Amino acid sequence: KNEVEQSPQNLTAQEGEFITINCSYSVGISALHWLQQHPGGGIVSLFMLSSGKKKHGRLIATINIQEKHSSLHITASHPRDSAVYICAVHPLQGAQKLVFGQGTRLTINP
Amino acid sequence: DSGVTQTPKHLITATGQRVTLRCSPRSGDLSVYWYQQSLDQGLQFLIQYYNGEERAKGNILERFSAQQFPDLHSELNLSSLELGDSALYFCASSGGDTPYEQYFGPGTRLTVT
Repeated sequence: KNEVEQSPQNLTAQEGEFITINCSYSVGISALHWLQQHPGGGIVSLFMLSSGKKKHGRLIATINIQEKHSSLHITASHPRDSAVYICAVHPLQGAQKLVFGQGTRLTINP
Repeated sequence: DSGVTQTPKHLITATGQRVTLRCSPRSGDLSVYWYQQSLDQGLQFLIQYYNGEERAKGNILERFSAQQFPDLHSELNLSSLELGDSALYFCASSGGDTPYEQYFGPGTRLTVT
């Protein structure tokens, strides 16, 4: 079993829909990242969080440390949000390294 | 643009060869991380350097090595290449040694034939 599990693996939605991607992890962590990878391959860091909630534009990330769970929400989704979203954690042991989930492929249709 | 540069963008080489991938971190960032993204394994952490010193090692093969130079750029050396080494190699940088937001370079796509 992977230390970081994401669901769903694939998600297709219509433009305007509210999107939720989930991430569960099995180890103690010091921080969690949400990353976005576009079809061209480039990776962009969306959020780094260790507690609570962060918001940037239409994106919201939450984390519950006790439940070892994080969610990424996209409001008013748009076709340009189509990408792979990757959850990654810094384990408490070996905090410098990142352990990645397998990614969620999101497709937003117009 | 993250401010992290990687060269080359694409590299095609034969099995058994050796290649060097280069990464320049964002101005002022002291940490450099190397990651490998293959189709079957996803993203994996390889190694981290902080201000010239190796800080953490992940699933890096013995055929691979890295270093960070005094000007903070880093190189990842891959030798005795195998078909399975074909992957995207990303470098990222951050300001410090403890968990910080990381800024990713555009990646180097390595194809071993």
